[in-house]
Amino acid sequence: GAGVSQSPSNKVTEKGKDVELRCDPISGHTALYWYRQSLGQGLEFLIYFQGNSAPDKSGLPSDRFSAERTGGSVSTLTIQRTQQEDSAVYLCASSGAGTTGETQYFGPGTRLLVL
Amino acid sequence: LAKTTQPISMDSYEGQEVNITCSHNNIATNDYITWYQQFPSQGPRFIIQGYKTKVTNEVASLFIPADRKSSTLSLPRVSLSDTAVYYCLVGDIGSSASKIIFGSGTRLSIRP
Repeated sequence: GAGVSQSPSNKVTEKGKDVELRCDPISGHTALYWYRQSLGQGLEFLIYFQGNSAPDKSGLPSDRFSAERTGGSVSTLTIQRTQQEDSAVYLCASSGAGTTGETQYFGPGTRLLVL
Repeated sequence: LAKTTQPISMDSYEGQEVNITCSHNNIATNDYITWYQQFPSQGPRFIIQGYKTKVTNEVASLFIPADRKSSTLSLPRVSLSDTAVYYCLVGDIGSSASKIIFGSGTRLSIRP
């Protein structure tokens, strides 16, 4: 079956513009995660959705970052007024139900470059 | 938070067995130990997961001592295609997804 997909694969934008990044999780997965990875670094947790529960937004670095998950499936990560330090790879992952012992399945990421 | 410590880099040769050890001294009772592999320009890919003792699948083995304060990923007979970054994670996504920390990983280089 299809894995996690993300779009666009690459995004170049100018400082101050808003961007939207999309994630399509594996069908049937109720848990969805967003991470950010700077060049040569590990993954930084951003936000976690589980079913109809309130999302865990504890990793969002500023109020310029927000995310939605519509209909319990597709998620959009929005970055407003982008800054150069927002340049990174944004990775999305999903898991079955977000329960103990589960593993995460990652998409290929969106490479964001802010000029 | 269960922080992990692993070597920054390792080198080996094709056909050798590679063991990467991860330290996680403050692992919690509900935490699982999971290893991911990441190639350039790709998202991390699940390799193996365990809670205690030894786990083996078709690509790797995971050794976890009784105190669970460390774990060792074992890759048998590596090939050039095993060159990647390997991340050790400790946590429980069922209760604290935000607390699962991906460190900087171990950059494994396999030479012919």
